[in-house]
Amino acid sequence: GQQVMQIPQYQHVQEGEDFTTYCNSSTTLSNIQWYKQRPGGHPVFLIQLVKSGEVKKQKRLTFQFGEAKKNSSLHITATQTTDVGTYFCAGNSGGYQKVTFGIGTKLQVIP
Amino acid sequence: DTEVTQTPKHLVMGMTNKKSLKCEQHMGHRAMYWYKQKAKKPPELMFVYSYEKLSINESVPSRFSPECPNSSLLNLHLHALQPEDSALYLCASSQGGRATYEQYFGPGTRLTVT
Repeated sequence: GQQVMQIPQYQHVQEGEDFTTYCNSSTTLSNIQWYKQRPGGHPVFLIQLVKSGEVKKQKRLTFQFGEAKKNSSLHITATQTTDVGTYFCAGNSGGYQKVTFGIGTKLQVIP
Repeated sequence: DTEVTQTPKHLVMGMTNKKSLKCEQHMGHRAMYWYKQKAKKPPELMFVYSYEKLSINESVPSRFSPECPNSSLLNLHLHALQPEDSALYLCASSQGGRATYEQYFGPGTRLTVT
């Protein structure tokens, strides 16, 4: 079955530093989604990428989808304490409603 | 209204009990999901309902029984659970149809099986 790997599992950064999490799939993806889960909270949708090589930005967050549609990244510029949480990628291989979540990257921001 | 509600927030049940988790959305979404999330792990898909019909069952044990009474409601009936079933149970919804859409998650029910 489809596997989605995500690294790193944990990242501590000083406030103001940049942060990147990477996602790799064992199969070609139809699309990939990113979610954020705050401590004690539930996953919240951030973005969906569909096209090969696609880049999307949301303020300090930049999302990329690889040319081969097997990898993706999320980059946060100048982290803030509000960025704390676990970031999950979730890949879809064509089963419409079914997405497979990566293990997640837990981000800690040191003020 | 972009909210998915879940009740109860917390549930403690014995291994011989029968209980139900409830989920509701009023966004007109036609796909609804149950996920199980253990501590420090990603959400793990259990079931998907599409247009009130069960479309995906991820080989979930029969002690978990989903039900979709109408397009706004999703239940998960629990019977004879094991302690290892203790987890956060998340409901989600999305637009239905032949595409992948963003999922809106509820706050979850934290289940403890004793």
